[in-house]
Amino acid sequence: EAGVTQFPSHSVIEKGQTVTLRCDPISGHDNLYWYRRVMGKEIKFLLHFVKESKQDESGMPNNRFLAERTGGTYSTLKVQPAELEDSGVYFCASSQVRRGGSSGNTIYFGEGSWLTVV
Amino acid sequence: AQSVAQPEDQVNVAEGNPLTVKCTYSVSGNPYLFWYVQYPNRGLQFLLKYITGDNLVKGSYGFEAEFNKSQTSFHLKKPSALVSDSALYFCAVTPKGGGSNYKLTFGKGTLLTVNP
Repeated sequence: EAGVTQFPSHSVIEKGQTVTLRCDPISGHDNLYWYRRVMGKEIKFLLHFVKESKQDESGMPNNRFLAERTGGTYSTLKVQPAELEDSGVYFCASSQVRRGGSSGNTIYFGEGSWLTVV
Repeated sequence: AQSVAQPEDQVNVAEGNPLTVKCTYSVSGNPYLFWYVQYPNRGLQFLLKYITGDNLVKGSYGFEAEFNKSQTSFHLKKPSALVSDSALYFCAVTPKGGGSNYKLTFGKGTLLTVNP
């Protein structure tokens, strides 16, 4: 079974440009999350989809970041325009949704998209 | 608000010796606790989790962790370290119940180096 896949694995862009990161969750996982780790700091939650709906986007840093999950399958995270402080690793993760509420489902992470803004 | 502390930025051990990577947490109510590992230039890989039940949790690659509610700790351990265990280890917490188990709060990570 394929894990969470992310594309591109690495990206170097100039300040002011646009970058779109893609995430394909594990098949059957309705929960999809984006996290980010800026160099030397903690991994921070960005947002959470349940199928195509945004459940929580409280971690999105500002309106330069836009996440979508059309059709409830793959997701994209667009940064437009990119700034130097956006450099870091963007992790996508997914988990199953179980009936009856939360049950400590394991959240599986992808390899990350390493973004460098110069 | 929940938080995780990993008090050691780096841990160095000799191959064959036991290793411990420390983690303490703060959360309202009961926690779900997780350990993830990041090998160089790779993503986050799930190691183990504590949900309920036995305080000693066994995970992948011979790792285990002990949940201690009174000390709010969830230290990661391995009886005999391997050079291949060298990686960045992250502890994470989320509060149990309420549908909020998706929002993991991570520690800063601990770099484990196992010397041959």
